[in-house]
Amino acid sequence: SQLAEENSWALSVHEGESVTVNCSYKTSITALQWYRQKSGKGPAQLILIRSNEREKRNGRLRATLDTSSQSSSLSITATRCEDTAVYFCATSSGSWQLIFGSGTQLTVMP
Amino acid sequence: NTKITQSPRYLILGRANKSLECEQHLGHNAMYWYKQSAEKPPELMFLYNLKQLIRNETVPSRFIPECPDSSKLLLHISAVDPEDSAVYFCASSPGTSGNTLYFGEGSRLIVV
Repeated sequence: SQLAEENSWALSVHEGESVTVNCSYKTSITALQWYRQKSGKGPAQLILIRSNEREKRNGRLRATLDTSSQSSSLSITATRCEDTAVYFCATSSGSWQLIFGSGTQLTVMP
Repeated sequence: NTKITQSPRYLILGRANKSLECEQHLGHNAMYWYKQSAEKPPELMFLYNLKQLIRNETVPSRFIPECPDSSKLLLHISAVDPEDSAVYFCASSPGTSGNTLYFGEGSRLIVV
């Protein structure tokens, strides 16, 4: 069963616009990670945010974590066509297993 | 990411035996095999941490992992089933708890 879930299956925006992908999870966590997977490639980590952190930035990316509502968001500003990918949130709860959500397909159109 | 290499990249099999190989050049202690079926997230199959195996109990016994040394990981597959068609990713991380995973490019298995 999925312990982490992105809230949208697919999103599309035009280049230059901002977009937010949301994630909800069901267990107590030690950290939440956001990964991006481009077509034909392996997932690549974007941001790792620990349970005692509320916000993390990486260039045009901003992740938030709300442990009270068990939710996270990933915002991308000034989107580019190369941001087109599937975005996964993944949670870890102190054990060895990283659980991936089902993913959100983001399409950035010219 | 050329620091984790997988081979072969593509594999088309009937009901035969084959092995997937992975090597990481990151000095990591943990290595993983993930299976990703079409339109699904990656799902953990096996983890080796400091060469100790931790297994996902739902993985069929025809999948046998092997870790000959800390930088290499093999996945032996016998008598493949059509449901095994997927991309198999190798990944590594410095440790096992809350660490970043670094994925290889994947090996696409097609069972005919």
